[in-house]
Amino acid sequence: EAQVTQNPRYLITVTGKKLTVTCSQNMNHEYMSWYRQDPGLGLRQIYYSMNVEVTDKGDVPEGYKVSRKEKRNFPLILESPSPNQTSLYFCASSLAGADTQYFGPGTRLTVL
Amino acid sequence: SQQGEEDPQALSIQEGENATMNCSYKTSINNLQWYRQNSGRGLVHLILIRSNEREKHSGRLRVTLDTSKKSSSLLITASRAADTASYFCATKMRASGSRLTFGEGTQLTVNP
Repeated sequence: EAQVTQNPRYLITVTGKKLTVTCSQNMNHEYMSWYRQDPGLGLRQIYYSMNVEVTDKGDVPEGYKVSRKEKRNFPLILESPSPNQTSLYFCASSLAGADTQYFGPGTRLTVL
Repeated sequence: SQQGEEDPQALSIQEGENATMNCSYKTSINNLQWYRQNSGRGLVHLILIRSNEREKHSGRLRVTLDTSKKSSSLLITASRAADTASYFCATKMRASGSRLTFGEGTQLTVNP
């Protein structure tokens, strides 16, 4: 089944404890992206990747890192999480230049 | 910055009624898409309309696009309780590759 998977789905952590949220797609998509969703703000793009080893900042990259060593994986790294990074995070992917993005199920992160 | 702004923020209707949601954007676009999100889940693509199109239909969905006003509307006819969800518009700008910019969403509640 074609899908985007994220792990973990739920995470509660404490300020400053490094964490990684994984994202994987099995559709051979070149483009992958991370969004965060907050009440009243909709979805805001954090980082995106056009292909392996090609990443770029989105609208709200501060406090986040990404890597794209393999085509199927696009992990989101929070080196030192803070409470303002408490949010619902979505990974998405698409073929290069394609119009439609496919979304993962979301990761709900709480930073205490 | 958010490209799309949607109104209303919330809409509550009775089953069988039509639901209309609006989206406005600021810059020239290549296409505009509507996505649906069930509570706490990932977004699912519904329909896409290109900048040279004015209206598009898909089942009970009707999308219009007015590029002179930089606005779009999504009409759901004969609504059902299962249509209860958040609806987001997303714009793809020219020369933006695969990047989409999302609006803040409209929360639709269809009461049985």
